[in-house]
Amino acid sequence: TQLLEQSPQFLSIQEGENLTVYCNSSSVFSSLQWYRQEPGEGPVLLVTVVTGGEVKKLKRLTFQFGDARKDSSLHITAAQTGDTGLYLCAGVRAGGFKTIFGAGTRLFVKA
Amino acid sequence: DAMVIQNPRYQVTQFGKPVTLSCSQTLNHNVMYWYQQKSSQAPKLLFHYYDKDFNNEADTPDNFQSRRPNTSFCFLDIRSPGLGDTAMYLCATSRDPGRSSGGYTFGSGTRLTVV
Repeated sequence: TQLLEQSPQFLSIQEGENLTVYCNSSSVFSSLQWYRQEPGEGPVLLVTVVTGGEVKKLKRLTFQFGDARKDSSLHITAAQTGDTGLYLCAGVRAGGFKTIFGAGTRLFVKA
Repeated sequence: DAMVIQNPRYQVTQFGKPVTLSCSQTLNHNVMYWYQQKSSQAPKLLFHYYDKDFNNEADTPDNFQSRRPNTSFCFLDIRSPGLGDTAMYLCATSRDPGRSSGGYTFGSGTRLTVV
């Protein structure tokens, strides 16, 4: 059982469409990160959220941390082919110190 | 630019032949991690070093060892690779562990194939 469940597992969309991917848990997290990983490369950190209800924007990407700090979402507006990749969420549980990774959402944006 | 560098990018080794993967960092981070990532799966933590303190995960096979001779370098040794060890091996660093880590900086990974 994954402590961090990501959905959907796979997503294929046309360039210009909007999309949202989710990261859910039954546990409370003290911080949560989103990474993007391109084929054959290591994950690259996109954002860290630490406060319940926090919203952060990174150009066309909007990240939200749930009020209860158990879930997070990533919304991409007007997707581009360069957004193609594996999106991983990862977090540190409240009271813990180890970072836990979700299995990722694999996004493919078609031209 | 400060970064995490892994060598080699690709490694093919024979079943049972020892192999060493290397990682170096110019970030002066305290913590260095080794992850194993198999196709379509989440990265799985093998172990980490907090300064010189080695922290092994309970389910990491004895076949996997690590060395950190100084702040900048960390090595992953696989003593007798099996076919099931074929995977991407990722090195990551953070300033501190846990909540205050602010996220990890990953290297580009070493794709290991055991034949």
